[in-house]
Amino acid sequence: GAGVSQSPSNKVTEKGKDVELRCDPISGHTALYWYRQSLGQGLEFLIYFQGNSAPDKSGLPSDRFSAERTGGSVSTLTIQRTQQEDSAVYLCASSLSRGGQETQYFGPGTRLLVL
Amino acid sequence: GQQLNQSPQSMFIQEGEDVSMNCTSSSIFNTWLWYKQEPGEGPVLLIALYKAGELTSNGRLTAQFGITRKDSFLNISASIPSDVGIYFCAGHRRTSGTYKYIFGTGTRLKVLA
Repeated sequence: GAGVSQSPSNKVTEKGKDVELRCDPISGHTALYWYRQSLGQGLEFLIYFQGNSAPDKSGLPSDRFSAERTGGSVSTLTIQRTQQEDSAVYLCASSLSRGGQETQYFGPGTRLLVL
Repeated sequence: GQQLNQSPQSMFIQEGEDVSMNCTSSSIFNTWLWYKQEPGEGPVLLIALYKAGELTSNGRLTAQFGITRKDSFLNISASIPSDVGIYFCAGHRRTSGTYKYIFGTGTRLKVLA
């Protein structure tokens, strides 16, 4: 597709269950970011993938959160043993650097509700 | 996590009025980006700035990259009801070997017809 896509668009789960969120970046974009946005708040950085380099995981809030990026394209964010405070919108973005000019494009997000 | 200082936090304006919002940082950035987010959607890129002092327009939107590289502003002229949303700035720089975007806290804009 032309833009970043994410699935599912909405997810309702019970506390303690695991969830997987998927991101398909724009084709050819080498960098991929995951963010979390709580209701009415700004964006909180979670993790960053760039090409084949080791990901920057410095924003992951706990060891229940993990992410993979397979083949330099699709990424999956996994939250284990979900808690109610994990409820938020999870946004994925991809970017391509051209001549030092970096531009980041967002997907529509996955709205996660933990009951 | 770290966030940029963005002001104002919210604005209620009449249709047709001009709007101005800005972001400031204690750190230097190489890129400034401005996004608009509507309810239930992801942020949509409005303007990207890559050089200190750069002034860029996109229709009724104008943004500038501050000379000090620590600030940026966004102006919207002749606002219309569909300008409603949350506007975020984002600064981009290389930090400790990786590239990161730091986001502002957002400006919530409401336009009264």
